[in-house]
Amino acid sequence: DAKTTQPPSMDCAEGRAANLPCNHSTISGNEYVYWYRQIHSQGPQYIIHGLKNNETNEMASLIITEDRKSSTLILPHATLRDTAVYYCIVRVASWAGGTSYGKLTFGQGTILTVHP
Amino acid sequence: DGGITQSPKYLFRKEGQNVTLSCEQNLNHDAMYWYRQDPGQGLRLIYYSQIVNDFQKGDIAEGYSVSREKKESFPLTVTSAQKNPTAFYLCASSKDRGDSYEQYFGPGTRLTVT
Repeated sequence: DAKTTQPPSMDCAEGRAANLPCNHSTISGNEYVYWYRQIHSQGPQYIIHGLKNNETNEMASLIITEDRKSSTLILPHATLRDTAVYYCIVRVASWAGGTSYGKLTFGQGTILTVHP
Repeated sequence: DGGITQSPKYLFRKEGQNVTLSCEQNLNHDAMYWYRQDPGQGLRLIYYSQIVNDFQKGDIAEGYSVSREKKESFPLTVTSAQKNPTAFYLCASSKDRGDSYEQYFGPGTRLTVT
């Protein structure tokens, strides 16, 4: 699975959009990008995932560059409850013969602090 | 409510003792996972299971053992062979190992061994 690089920390004002970048320059065409977040002392929570198209759900949007070497998670209207560690994870698709069997490899993530 | 339960939330043991962490899910998920998290670090996979009576080692399986006798249960035993057992342990499950199936995590068990 490709390696990811994220900034260690970011700040965001409440009500503004939070844009969290992730670099995955070695990603291959059969690797998905996943985002999870972990609020302090809780289990991680799934946010969104994508392969090459931009994706949106009720929590966030995922923008993947055309060359797929980086992506951005967007929380459109951040609240204080969005303060958490955000993890960007890349994983080989099972349809491509990936043997990760659902394994998620978590790096250190980005600590997002939303302030009033 | 469907979900994953882990008990207890906090666990204290003396060095040299084996300890078993509980993980139960009522989501009817086939796949289950155990992760370990150390302070300031991401999660690392210990063991995973895709179906009943089958499980595979993850990245850091040494000193741990698991069983999967029932679909809804995946207990983890931390043995005395685990050199640094103090950590936050997280259990997760997913419908299967497919790409579109998110992993749901339990609240975790914080184990302290002294």
